[in-house]
Amino acid sequence: AQKITQTQPGMFVQEKEAVTLDCTYDTSDQSYGLFWYKQPSSGEMIFLIYQGSYDEQNATEGRYSLNFQKARKSANLVISASQLGDSAMYFCAMRAEGSSGGSNYKLTFGKGTLLTVNP
Amino acid sequence: DAGVIQSPRHEVTEMGQEVTLRCKPISGHNSLFWYRQTMMRGLELLIYFNNNVPIDDSGMPEDRFSAKMPNASFSTLKIQPSEPRDSAVYFCASSLYGWNNEQFFGPGTRLTVL
Repeated sequence: AQKITQTQPGMFVQEKEAVTLDCTYDTSDQSYGLFWYKQPSSGEMIFLIYQGSYDEQNATEGRYSLNFQKARKSANLVISASQLGDSAMYFCAMRAEGSSGGSNYKLTFGKGTLLTVNP
Repeated sequence: DAGVIQSPRHEVTEMGQEVTLRCKPISGHNSLFWYRQTMMRGLELLIYFNNNVPIDDSGMPEDRFSAKMPNASFSTLKIQPSEPRDSAVYFCASSLYGWNNEQFFGPGTRLTVL
């Protein structure tokens, strides 16, 4: 079974500064993927960035980067140059290859971190 | 490209009524997921289809909930009879098959059962 832990219920950051949102995971699988989603107040779930367990380089997508530390089982999201529009709930999630013949690729979510960007 | 389409976006109904939520996945995606989101329980996976076949329905709360996927471009989630505790946002998501593929979410249906 997989588990995602996001220990920061809420975070505040000043506009234009960088912020790191923490995510730790637990799995016994060797093959897995880590995902970050953004949920603004309007409610939609927006995919941000993906990191595979075999990827040697940290993933980057524009202002988003993923600080992947496999030995520590952490996959922190870094947002550079925060903008007011970054204020939202952020969810870390994972899927693993699993032992069920690869037929059940559940996406396990953390409880989320509410980020507020102050002007 | 069109994303995942859900309808209705909002549904208000009275306890005991049947509710049907609809989803059209992204064309070419062969995995489809129904989630429920509440403040208390967060995001919960209700059911997962692969190639139109239900793979895991262990998250379906009880027999009042049922889901179908008659073809690759359409799925329904039905609640009959509905209860106030079913009030939540229901998301449909789709992806390509595989553990390393991201899921794309629809806009959600906000269900209120009075």
